[in-house]
Amino acid sequence: DAGVTQSPTHLIKTRGQQVTLRCSPKSGHDTVSWYQQALGQGPQFIFQYYEEEERQRGNFPDRFSGHQFPNYSSELNVNALLLGDSALYLCASRSLREQETQYFGPGTRLLVL
Amino acid sequence: AQKVTQAQTEISVVEKEDVTLDCVYETRDTTYYLFWYKQPPSGELVFLIRRNSFDEQNEISGRYSWNFQKSTSSFNFTITASQVVDSAVYFCFLEGYNQGGKLIFGQGTELSVKP
Repeated sequence: DAGVTQSPTHLIKTRGQQVTLRCSPKSGHDTVSWYQQALGQGPQFIFQYYEEEERQRGNFPDRFSGHQFPNYSSELNVNALLLGDSALYLCASRSLREQETQYFGPGTRLLVL
Repeated sequence: AQKVTQAQTEISVVEKEDVTLDCVYETRDTTYYLFWYKQPPSGELVFLIRRNSFDEQNEISGRYSWNFQKSTSSFNFTITASQVVDSAVYFCFLEGYNQGGKLIFGQGTELSVKP
């Protein structure tokens, strides 16, 4: 049973560019959450998707947007990248109906130059 | 407001010592879950335990034990007879249910276990 997978593992972009990160949830999970973890900090909640809708959102600007597909996989898009967007981006999945624990993927390390 | 505080930024112990990681939380929710996650250098967050707000029973799993006290809003984590493989960053996490399901991590405690 595959766990949560994320792609790519590493990414380098320049300021002003746009980036798309991808997440495939654990089998049987219907909810995907995204987190940003800056170096030396705890993860910060970006948003959560359930049934292809954004269910809730943290304190992140509109430059951060997402999408969930019918197969429950998800994308995180960041526009107009800033140096401060450099971080580890973590995806977590869970079954909201079962109120299960969320499980995390290995993350995507984004470096903005 | 919801908040999770892990006051210990770094802890260093020698192998076989016991160590306790502190977590204090604030929430107005009456229904919530508390978690501990381990983050090794690889970066992936590994789930350790989940407790709900209605279950204050302490739990033991091998060398790990957790003490949940609602009276002091604390959810502390103890590793008995620490090992080098326990070296990692440990995060306490709060998921609230009454106000839209806020999801909040603490700042983490970096544990270093030396041989």
